[in-house]
Amino acid sequence: GNSVTQMEGPVTLSEEAFLTINCTYTATGYPSLFWYVQYPGEGLQLLLKATKADDKGSNKGFEATYRKETTSFHLEKGSVQVSDSAVYFCALTLDYKLSFGAGTTVTVRA
Amino acid sequence: EAGVVQSPRYKIIEKKQPVAFWCNPISGHNTLYWYLQNLGQGPELLIRYENEEAVDDSQLPKDRFSAERLKGVDSTLKIQPAELGDSAVYLCASSLVSGTGDYNEQYFGPGTRLTVT
Repeated sequence: GNSVTQMEGPVTLSEEAFLTINCTYTATGYPSLFWYVQYPGEGLQLLLKATKADDKGSNKGFEATYRKETTSFHLEKGSVQVSDSAVYFCALTLDYKLSFGAGTTVTVRA
Repeated sequence: EAGVVQSPRYKIIEKKQPVAFWCNPISGHNTLYWYLQNLGQGPELLIRYENEEAVDDSQLPKDRFSAERLKGVDSTLKIQPAELGDSAVYLCASSLVSGTGDYNEQYFGPGTRLTVT
């Protein structure tokens, strides 16, 4: 079946530090890949996506590149802010069904 | 534009009691999803509707869970009777699926946090 494995948290960083959250996937086809973010008290929001190999998704300073050869979609941000504190979910979709990773809690300290 | 609305936001019930959750999707979205999110895990799909039709309910525990989407707009998810293990967050999402096979973004509501005691 389809599955997503992402780096376990929690991750605690200082403001302006570099953030990376690893994500790998298993799929029986060619999925689209996503990163969702869940801020405290809010619903899941799509952060970025990539629909085919070598695509790079980017938004709000975050980036992730669809690597088919390593079945990975690692999330990176060069300089985090306190407002980036949230839970980040890696996900894939095939046939409209989203499969999520377990989530990684990120806390950024001022 | 209003997002996906869910109510209640929190619910505490005793085991063996019934409970219902309500979802109002984004206006015009033909596809609605219910997800279950256990603590420390990612959401898992329970059921997907396209208009009024449940097109994927393979993960819905049908012995105690039921859902409906009358008129293809609002939806309710019911548990009867609730068990301790049902304590979780129940998320609703909606999207506009055109049938071209391309991914259409799912917009999520804030969820209903259920506690069964």
